[in-house]
Amino acid sequence: GQQLNQSPQSMFIQEGEDVSMNCTSSSIFNTWLWYKQDPGEGPVLLIALYKAGELTSNGRLTAQFGITRKDSFLNISASIPSDVGIYFCAGEGRSTSYGKLTFGQGTILTVHP
Amino acid sequence: DAGITQSPRHKVTETGTPVTLRCHQTENHRYMYWYRQDPGHGLRLIHYSYGVKDTDKGEVSDGYSVSRSKTEDFLLTLESATSSQTSVYFCAISERQLQETQYFGPGTRLLVL
Repeated sequence: GQQLNQSPQSMFIQEGEDVSMNCTSSSIFNTWLWYKQDPGEGPVLLIALYKAGELTSNGRLTAQFGITRKDSFLNISASIPSDVGIYFCAGEGRSTSYGKLTFGQGTILTVHP
Repeated sequence: DAGITQSPRHKVTETGTPVTLRCHQTENHRYMYWYRQDPGHGLRLIHYSYGVKDTDKGEVSDGYSVSRSKTEDFLLTLESATSSQTSVYFCAISERQLQETQYFGPGTRLLVL
């Protein structure tokens, strides 16, 4: 099946620093989604991307849908302690998983005050 | 927040016993999904439903069955629980299938001894 490689697996940063994480795939995706998961909670949608090349912001978060449709990145600017959590990318492709999401392994973000 | 609840939120059971997890939504969304989350694997799709009595297998469906007799309820059953099914289970819903974000429930933590 389709696989997403998400990197880095974990990040330890100081408050105020910028963060960048990305997902790559060998397959084309039609939709890229970025979720955040707080401890003991379900994932919450941060940003949705529907077109190749699309760049979308949500507050301090910015995500892009790669031109090749095989990658996406998420940037967090000026990190704060509440940014701590696990960030997941997810893609929806038509080839073998019509209408289903494939998730990356997650990036664990730790922010030191 | 999307109206999704899961029950129970925590369960401890013994190998070989049947277990049923319930997902309930108040959004009247057509599509419902069951995922499991394990360290290093992100979220993996177990089964999904595209309407009442309409279900299909996901990536890791072996050992699981589902049922959807009403729009609002999607049940996941482990017929004979095994230790490898110890995991956190998430239900998700979406209004449409393609290019549609999925909203997640709070999760059920299952421990099979």
